[in-house]
Amino acid sequence: DADVTQTPRNRITKTGKRIMLECSQTKGHDRMYWYRQDPGLGLRLIYYSFDVKDINKGEISDGYSVSRQAQAKFSLSLESAIPNQTALYFCATSDFNWSRGAYEQYFGPGTRLTVT
Amino acid sequence: TQLLEQSPQFLSIQEGENLTVYCNSSSVFSSLQWYRQEPGEGPVLLVTVVTGGEVKKLKRLTFQFGDARKDSSLHITAAQTGDTGLYLCAGGSSWGKLQFGAGTQVVVTP
Repeated sequence: DADVTQTPRNRITKTGKRIMLECSQTKGHDRMYWYRQDPGLGLRLIYYSFDVKDINKGEISDGYSVSRQAQAKFSLSLESAIPNQTALYFCATSDFNWSRGAYEQYFGPGTRLTVT
Repeated sequence: TQLLEQSPQFLSIQEGENLTVYCNSSSVFSSLQWYRQEPGEGPVLLVTVVTGGEVKKLKRLTFQFGDARKDSSLHITAAQTGDTGLYLCAGGSSWGKLQFGAGTQVVVTP
């Protein structure tokens, strides 16, 4: 079974609609992240959470909100979707690898979102 | 503004050839990570380097972290079709955030 799961995997929605993307993890990590990926731009951080009571904006948080319902669950919402939010969305978790001396991230399979 | 510049953006080679992908920045990072991503999947961590000048080998893949911890390279020897994918470098801060490059799409043909 996958350690980081995302639902839905694909979604088509219309401009102005509210949509929620969900992420669950069984890795037991406290830290979770939401990224979007656009061709030629790599992965850009939307929001991150270092524990259930901690939520932080990333570099492109405008138009998005998040909810950390539990250690294992981190949801991303688009309050009023617009076409330029069409992208691949990835959830990730991270933990400190003591043998390597750095935080390492583990990604879900992604959600392909299309806003028409 | 992309803090991490990857080059080239696209690389197409034949099986058996060697290739090198570069990741450059003006910023110093606590760690440098390389991920590979295949279509329809999320990025998968290949390696983490943390010491300036560090070289790590993973079978036919060799990763190097620059002495000043601002740049890195990934070298693949005798590429195979299974090496096809999007290679992403990411610079890590001491408290865990990653800054990603735009990626290098590698295509290995038989």
